[in-house]
Amino acid sequence: AQTVTQSQPEMSVQEAETVTLSCTYDTSESDYYLFWYKQPPSRQMILVIRQEAYKQQNATENRFSVNFQKAAKSFSLKISDSQLGDAAMYFCASGRGGGSNYKLTFGKGTLLTVNP
Amino acid sequence: GAVVSQHPSWVICKSGTSVKIECRSLDFQATTMFWYRQFPKQSLMLMATSNEGSKATYEQGVEKDKFLINHASLTLSTLTVTSAHPEDSSFYICSAFLIAGGSTDTQYFGPGTRLTVL
Repeated sequence: AQTVTQSQPEMSVQEAETVTLSCTYDTSESDYYLFWYKQPPSRQMILVIRQEAYKQQNATENRFSVNFQKAAKSFSLKISDSQLGDAAMYFCASGRGGGSNYKLTFGKGTLLTVNP
Repeated sequence: GAVVSQHPSWVICKSGTSVKIECRSLDFQATTMFWYRQFPKQSLMLMATSNEGSKATYEQGVEKDKFLINHASLTLSTLTVTSAHPEDSSFYICSAFLIAGGSTDTQYFGPGTRLTVL
């Protein structure tokens, strides 16, 4: 079984500043993936970034980067140069490797507010 | 690319009636789709895994006779809420699993369907 914990129900950041969202997970799988999804008010789930557990290098996507600490089972998301459009609920998720057993386990989410 | 649609986006029905929600992968084929339920201000709860050409796999506690899932083609899965009751009112989200090759396999989500049962 997998569990994902997001300990910050809400976070706020000033526009153009940097914010880090925390996530810890627990899994017995050796092959797994980690994700951050964004859910804006429209409620459309959008993939922000993904990390393969076997890769040591932290994933980056433009202003979004992760700090993946495998031994500590930590997977935090850093948003640089925050923009008003970044305001959303952010969900951390873990998933087993491929095939029909590929299921995502989500954390409870962190609501990010971006202040102008 | 990797667009998933849902229809309808919003539905209101009377208690005791059935409602069908469609999930389509528009630009890729998906042998596996997933159905989630999301209550207000809460996370996504996986209801079932829908596999093309076979029976769906339901998560513990989800009534399979109430939430009927059919994955008739590689681009379409449907969720039918049978004999709906007010407690079934929720936001239902589907996702489709895009197999692009190993490390790029990813779930893409539909925009969701808001169900209100009167």
